[in-house]
Amino acid sequence: EAQVTQNPRYLITVTGKKLTVTCSQNMNHEYMSWYRQDPGLGLRQIYYSMNVEVTDKGDVPEGYKVSRKEKRNFPLILESPSPNQTSLYFCASSRGPTLPPDTQYFGPGTRLTVL
Amino acid sequence: LAKTTQPISMDSYEGQEVNITCSHNNIATNDYITWYQQFPSQGPRFIIQGYKTKVTNEVASLFIPADRKSSTLSLPRVSLSDTAVYYCLVGLTGGFKTIFGAGTRLFVKA
Repeated sequence: EAQVTQNPRYLITVTGKKLTVTCSQNMNHEYMSWYRQDPGLGLRQIYYSMNVEVTDKGDVPEGYKVSRKEKRNFPLILESPSPNQTSLYFCASSRGPTLPPDTQYFGPGTRLTVL
Repeated sequence: LAKTTQPISMDSYEGQEVNITCSHNNIATNDYITWYQQFPSQGPRFIIQGYKTKVTNEVASLFIPADRKSSTLSLPRVSLSDTAVYYCLVGLTGGFKTIFGAGTRLFVKA
């Protein structure tokens, strides 16, 4: 089954304790992206990657790191989490910059709480 | 990236047709218009996409006037399960920087 998986689905942590949220897709997609969702603000893009070793900032990259060493994986790293990073995080993937634009497929989400 | 403007929320009753309009005055020549639907605590999912005139699929219709400065998502005969947030996106949304915005929260009542 074609899917985007994220782990963990739920995480409670403390300020400053480094964490990684993994994202994996099995559709051989070139494009992957991370979003965060906060009440009233919709989805905001954190980082995206157009291929292996190619990443770029979205609208809210501060406090996050990403890496794309393999096509299928795109982990989101919080080196020193802070309470304002408490949010619902979504990973997404698509084939890439096609015309017409390709559908983005989203993972189930990771609910992160930073105390 | 073209900025989009949608109503923040809408209410409807079961069985009614719902139209959600999105304005995108700065749409570029190559931009497509894409709509996503999101249920609580789930990731968005694609509903429909178009470039001009009218597009229809099994879920919705998308109306785009000739000037393409706005678009209207039409949901025929909504049910309670259509309660969700609907996002209008403009541009190369599958491969570059993507802006979802706050979306339109649709609440369908019995």
